[in-house]
Amino acid sequence: AQKITQTQPGMFVQEKEAVTLDCTYDTSDQSYGLFWYKQPSSGEMIFLIYQGSYDEQNATEGRYSLNFQKARKSANLVISASQLGDSAMYFCAMREYSNTGKLIFGQGTTLQVKP
Amino acid sequence: GAVVSQHPSWVICKSGTSVKIECRSLDFQATTMFWYRQFPKQSLMLMATSNEGSKATYEQGVEKDKFLINHASLTLSTLTVTSAHPEDSSFYICSARDLAGDHEQYFGPGTRLTVT
Repeated sequence: AQKITQTQPGMFVQEKEAVTLDCTYDTSDQSYGLFWYKQPSSGEMIFLIYQGSYDEQNATEGRYSLNFQKARKSANLVISASQLGDSAMYFCAMREYSNTGKLIFGQGTTLQVKP
Repeated sequence: GAVVSQHPSWVICKSGTSVKIECRSLDFQATTMFWYRQFPKQSLMLMATSNEGSKATYEQGVEKDKFLINHASLTLSTLTVTSAHPEDSSFYICSARDLAGDHEQYFGPGTRLTVT
């Protein structure tokens, strides 16, 4: 069964600094996708970045990059130049393509950016 | 980007009544929609996978008779919480996959249910 683990319940970062949010996963599938979502206090789920299991390059989207280490089964999110608006809950998620495509989420990390 | 709407955005109901939540994909077709439940400061827990024209697949531990899911068209899925109790109070979020897309899954804004 697929499993996603986020071990950091809460993180603080100074404005304009970079921060790494950890995510490890477990799957027996060869084909899967890894996602990061941001959930501000409003509750909406905002898609940030995607990494496919066969992608050789780490995904990047603006200030977000995904540090994908397949052998270690980790998919950490790096946010560069943190902004106050980055304060939110962040979820790592995985989809196994052989398993109805459902998205399973980690426990989440609450990020607070300090001015 | 693709838009998924949910209605209502919040609802308060009395214990013992039923509540229906709608999830619509506004500008794309979705054969598969997913329903999640989220308690405060916790993760999203997948409740069920809804496929257009067929019965929903429920996750282990989710009561299918209590949480009725109907996916009658490619743009609409509904979740009905039957005989609601205070412990059903939660944030319910739906999401949908675009038939024509690749990996993206689009989320609705969520429905906050409070059962008194």
